[in-house]
Amino acid sequence: AQSVTQLGSHVSVSEGALVLLRCNYSSSVPPYLFWYVQYPNQGLQLLLKYTSAATLVKGINGFEAEFKKSETSFHLTKPSAHMSDAAEYFCAVSDKKGSTLGRLYFGRGTQLTVWP
Amino acid sequence: EAQVTQNPRYLITVTGKKLTVTCSQNMNHEYMSWYRQDPGLGLRQIYYSMNVEVTDKGDVPEGYKVSRKEKRNFPLILESPSPNQTSLYFCASRTTGVGTGELFFGEGSRLTVL
Repeated sequence: AQSVTQLGSHVSVSEGALVLLRCNYSSSVPPYLFWYVQYPNQGLQLLLKYTSAATLVKGINGFEAEFKKSETSFHLTKPSAHMSDAAEYFCAVSDKKGSTLGRLYFGRGTQLTVWP
Repeated sequence: EAQVTQNPRYLITVTGKKLTVTCSQNMNHEYMSWYRQDPGLGLRQIYYSMNVEVTDKGDVPEGYKVSRKEKRNFPLILESPSPNQTSLYFCASRTTGVGTGELFFGEGSRLTVL
């Protein structure tokens, strides 16, 4: 089974500051990796995904993440935080067997607060 | 419009009264899954299904049942709800092909068991 670790359940930044949300996974085989965002009182939506193409992945709203196999990491960054980025962020990893995706495993989430 | 639909969105019930939360998707996805979300615990998977008539336990299956008789539907059944099942529940679906891997979520069902 996979495991996903998100370091820091709460991250606070000032508006305009760098956002860095950390995610490490356990798979020894390059997996499919995802970041999802959940705004207050809403469901989850996909922010970006890594599917073994480019290691630097760009997502919506100016977010990007870099897949580092040697570190088994997939950290999420945004150069300049905006108030509207305040949300909960979830990292996820998927099993893959051949050409079939299996279970999706989620981290515990990181709540991002953006101060004015 | 591609979507995952859950019902009811909000429900207050009492201990022991059987209830079903329905989930339906219109994207012909093979994979469907139920999660519960609790403060500080993130998303925990209850059950998942890789296709019709194929279901597997997730991390927290106790007290829940599921069935997958049709590809589009994946109901979550609480035979005898207890207060510790008070939670926010999400249904989700995706293809099992490796094309995108994106999981599509419903809007959530907030359940309170008194």
